[in-house]
Amino acid sequence: DAGITQSPRHKVTETGTPVTLRCHQTENHRYMYWYRQDPGHGLRLIHYSYGVKDTDKGEVSDGYSVSRSKTEDFLLTLESATSSQTSVYFCAISESPTSKGQYFGPGTRLTVT
Amino acid sequence: QQQVKQSPQSLIVQKGGISIINCAYENTAFDYFPWYQQFPGKGPALLIAIRPDVSEKKEGRFTISFNKSAKQFSLHIMDSQPGDSATYFCAALLPGSARQLTFGSGTQLTVLP
Repeated sequence: DAGITQSPRHKVTETGTPVTLRCHQTENHRYMYWYRQDPGHGLRLIHYSYGVKDTDKGEVSDGYSVSRSKTEDFLLTLESATSSQTSVYFCAISESPTSKGQYFGPGTRLTVT
Repeated sequence: QQQVKQSPQSLIVQKGGISIINCAYENTAFDYFPWYQQFPGKGPALLIAIRPDVSEKKEGRFTISFNKSAKQFSLHIMDSQPGDSATYFCAALLPGSARQLTFGSGTQLTVLP
């Protein structure tokens, strides 16, 4: 998985609690992305980062925030988890604007009860 | 708003047969079209990709056919093998610094032995 780890790999949490997912890369790539994967929807972009402390919203950003204080770490926070945020979350990295490929981590399965 | 439409949702093929997955896009600003392969419990992995100024790209048993005027592209898997059984996603990449990917909804391919 191209030097990308995600933690935790599985999490069950209750509605209304905050949750933070971590993506860690060892590739020193500038761009990092958070996606969620749901049946029938493919992968949808939540937030992305184009550098330390530089982030922007994706297609489905409501209810999520991100932070990137170091090149290697990109955190996704669910401020108050809801059942609709039950999903598999993937982190991806990309080297540069001219890079064609995004490389994905192993995913985090999150269940909100 | 789904900008990349993928079909079929599922596909069953006999070993040695040809698997064909189709995608159509709406946004003519997309400038790169990758296909990703995903096995259960894993993140998507880049399989093959094409630029819109090329009509066909072949890598081993995998071929992308691209029709720019129809805004359609397809993945052909020749001599399909049971090990090809996976979920396949087409995607389209927007130009710009963030290189945002838009994914199709996925096709679950099963190759029968």
